[in-house]
Amino acid sequence: DTAVSQTPKYLVTQMGNDKSIKCEQNLGHDTMYWYKQDSKKFLKIMFSYNNKELIINETVPNRFSPKSPDKAHLNLHINSLELGDSAVYFCASSQDPAPGQGPWETQYFGPGTRLLVL
Amino acid sequence: KQEVTQIPAALSVPEGENLVLNCSFTDSAIYNLQWFRQDPGKGLTSLLLIQSSQREQTSGRLNASLDKSSGRSTLYIAASQPGDSATYLCAVRFLTGANSKLTFGKGITLSVRP
Repeated sequence: DTAVSQTPKYLVTQMGNDKSIKCEQNLGHDTMYWYKQDSKKFLKIMFSYNNKELIINETVPNRFSPKSPDKAHLNLHINSLELGDSAVYFCASSQDPAPGQGPWETQYFGPGTRLLVL
Repeated sequence: KQEVTQIPAALSVPEGENLVLNCSFTDSAIYNLQWFRQDPGKGLTSLLLIQSSQREQTSGRLNASLDKSSGRSTLYIAASQPGDSATYLCAVRFLTGANSKLTFGKGITLSVRP
């Protein structure tokens, strides 16, 4: 009955490789997110999708490409991995209000994917 | 620039103490503020969500307050227990239009000693 799940949990790979992280939510939410938590534990949003449409892209290198096949899934593909990409990547979901409507509710986070680039 | 600050970065207290974790934010125009808990190697769990029209929220031994005008929130933990040891993150949803996002502080790592 996991709400937000991510695979894999751990990912160790060589610099220059291409890898994907998958995320699924069974909460019926219409908005999904990818966050990056760096070595100093600072959590920052990367992307947000609402009903499969990209709505937030926070100056992330174009080596990172999110893909949302349906509103329950948001996958993250990373090309040409670099050492600085090593971090924990969290997926989250929420049910966001329509523009001008409220309130905004909580986000539910997945367990994280620990990426180590060697 | 809209920022969220949590000081200190770490806190160690003996079991049983009542404690207050602080969060400050730079812009009083917010939708809401949330407190999350993160255990080592785990994801984030939402503890309390305070909408901009509210002053506080309570859940068990936790009480969160919000003062928008001063840009501050506090998370009060009563009768702390070793199981409360974790990192506590404050996140603010600023009023930036339809596509607003959560802005996180860097967290306070709490250690409750038996």
